[in-house]
Amino acid sequence: EAGVTQFPSHSVIEKGQTVTLRCDPISGHDNLYWYRRVMGKEIKFLLHFVKESKQDESGMPNNRFLAERTGGTYSTLKVQPAELEDSGVYFCASSQEGKGIYGYTFGSGTRLTVV
Amino acid sequence: DQQVKQNSPSLSVQEGRISILNCDYTNSMFDYFLWYKKYPAEGPTFLISISSIKDKNEDGRFTVFLNKSAKHLSLHIVPSQPGDSAVYFCAASPHTNDYKLSFGAGTTVTVRA
Repeated sequence: EAGVTQFPSHSVIEKGQTVTLRCDPISGHDNLYWYRRVMGKEIKFLLHFVKESKQDESGMPNNRFLAERTGGTYSTLKVQPAELEDSGVYFCASSQEGKGIYGYTFGSGTRLTVV
Repeated sequence: DQQVKQNSPSLSVQEGRISILNCDYTNSMFDYFLWYKKYPAEGPTFLISISSIKDKNEDGRFTVFLNKSAKHLSLHIVPSQPGDSAVYFCAASPHTNDYKLSFGAGTTVTVRA
């Protein structure tokens, strides 16, 4: 089966611009999570979708970040406008409903650099 | 606030010797602990886990120890192999169901030939 796919793998944008990250979960995985790792620091939770609904968005840093999962398939994470502190690696993970914390499959991440 | 801490950013060990990675946590609600391994340009992959009802879990060369009273866990890799060179993340959760994980900052392990 195909894994979790994230696009693009790298993105370099200027401060103030908009960037949209995409995550395609494993087919049939209702749970989709976004995480972020700022250079050398911990991997931080951003939000959790169950199908198209936001189950938990307590980790979203501010209203410059907008996540969507229309139709319960792929998800997008838009940053508008981007700031320097948004630089980092954004990971997406998916899991089947009921598999719990042991069922995560992570994508390879999108490295975002804001200059 | 960072609830899972890995205070050693890096570890260098000779091939064949033991690697010991440490992890501390502050949230007493955490009952489930996982270790992930990450290679460059790849996502983290699950390695081994332990729940709070146990103090040790072993899987081949990997053993995780949990000291709940000290809020401390460690991962032992014996013997270390060159393919073990990676970043290791400690993660924790209060639940086993579909839920977010709290991660540490990672420890980069380099296994020298």
